[in-house]
Parts: sequence; structure tokens; C-alpha cells
Amino acid sequence: DAMVIQNPRYQVTQFGKPVTLSCSQTLNHNVMYWYQQKSSQAPKLLFHYYDKDFNNEADTPDNFQSRRPNTSFCFLDIRSPGLGDAAMYLCATSRMGSYNEQFFGPGTRLTVL
Amino acid sequence: AQTVTQSQPEMSVQEAETVTLSCTYDTSESDYYLFWYKQPPSRQMILVIRQEAYKQQNATENRFSVNFQKAAKSFSLKISDSQLGDAAMYFCAYRRVFGSSNTGKLIFGQGTTLQVKP
Repeated sequence: DAMVIQNPRYQVTQFGKPVTLSCSQTLNHNVMYWYQQKSSQAPKLLFHYYDKDFNNEADTPDNFQSRRPNTSFCFLDIRSPGLGDAAMYLCATSRMGSYNEQFFGPGTRLTVL
Repeated sequence: AQTVTQSQPEMSVQEAETVTLSCTYDTSESDYYLFWYKQPPSRQMILVIRQEAYKQQNATENRFSVNFQKAAKSFSLKISDSQLGDAAMYFCAYRRVFGSSNTGKLIFGQGTTLQVKP
């Protein structure tokens, strides 16, 4: 089945230790998004790729970076995780066009010790 | 900037009954898209229903329907014949028309947790 896959599902890291979260998709969608969702809150967009074009939200901290080496994969790098970065990180994909549904992965829950 | 507000943090409904979740939004744009997403506990978010702002007819998907009031900037979700599997967090979301100057991102409300009682 075509889908959005996120690995790992659960990630524990130490304060200040870099961590990478990965997302892959079999939908061949040209847009990929990374959202941060803190407990019982709405998802908040960090950045997205439209093909290879990277679009950063204005309020996304510099601590967060992303890479998209090809259509199928996208990575979220947190250079120096702080306690406030503990959250669920959601990857989503979409074809171009506002009517088109965003397909979400199951998320990676990040714990920072 | 666009904002989305869900004023009901929690709702409950008896199985087989009908429940309505509220959503209001603020925008100065005339064309946009609205969505309801469902996020079950520990499971991924899935689309429930969507509405194009230029369409006056309310969207319907099986037991799910919306009441879209453009002038009032209101977009409520009605769930008929509620089932135990409907228990989840529901997010209302706004999306601008895709263009070169915008990200196509979803702007989410705070969410409403729906409990379905057997």
C-alpha cells in the first residue's frame, strides 16, 4: 500500500545530542512537510519541500534543519535538542494543489532527557 | 494571517447519536480550502472531509457532513450515527490557495477530543 513511513516511531535523545528523524513515502508526491505537535496541541509547520525547493517557516528555530535527497525521502535534523523540543514530529506529503489531501505518517515521538 | 479556532476542547456523544464539532476561522481571502482531520490515539492523522470555499454546497462523506457558513466564517462538522471508532482528536484546518507565494501549509485549530460512550 502507498503510504508515508516515519522512522523511528520513538526516539530518545539527550539534551544537546543531535538527532535525525526520517520520513519516506511511496506516493510519489512532490511536496513533503514536517510538523511539530506538542502534547494536546495543534500541529505546527516547521518547513516543507516543494520538489527540491526548501521553504522554512519564519518562526522555525535554526536548530531545526531538513534534507530531501530524493523524492521519496526527507529528513529532519535537530542539531542541539532542548527539553522544549520534546514533541511528536509528523511528516506529511501532498501533490501540488490546495484541494489535495495531505497524507500524514504515524509520527515520531521525541523524548529529550 | 489566518487563524482557526476550535472552542470545544472536549466533546462526548452517545454511540449512535449525532454530534457537532465547531470551528471558526479568520481570513481576508475569498478563496481557500477547509478540512477536518481525525487523529485517533497513537495513530496517524487522516482526512475526514474537505470543502472548497467557492462551493456553496456543504460537503458530505457518508456519516460526516459540514455546515459551511462563509459569511460567518464557520465550518462545523456533524457526525451522525456515532461509532466507537469515531473517538479521536478532530482538527479543523485552513489552507490557502496554492501559489508561488505561499507554502500550501495547513493551519490547524487547537483540536477537539471526541469521546464516544457505548
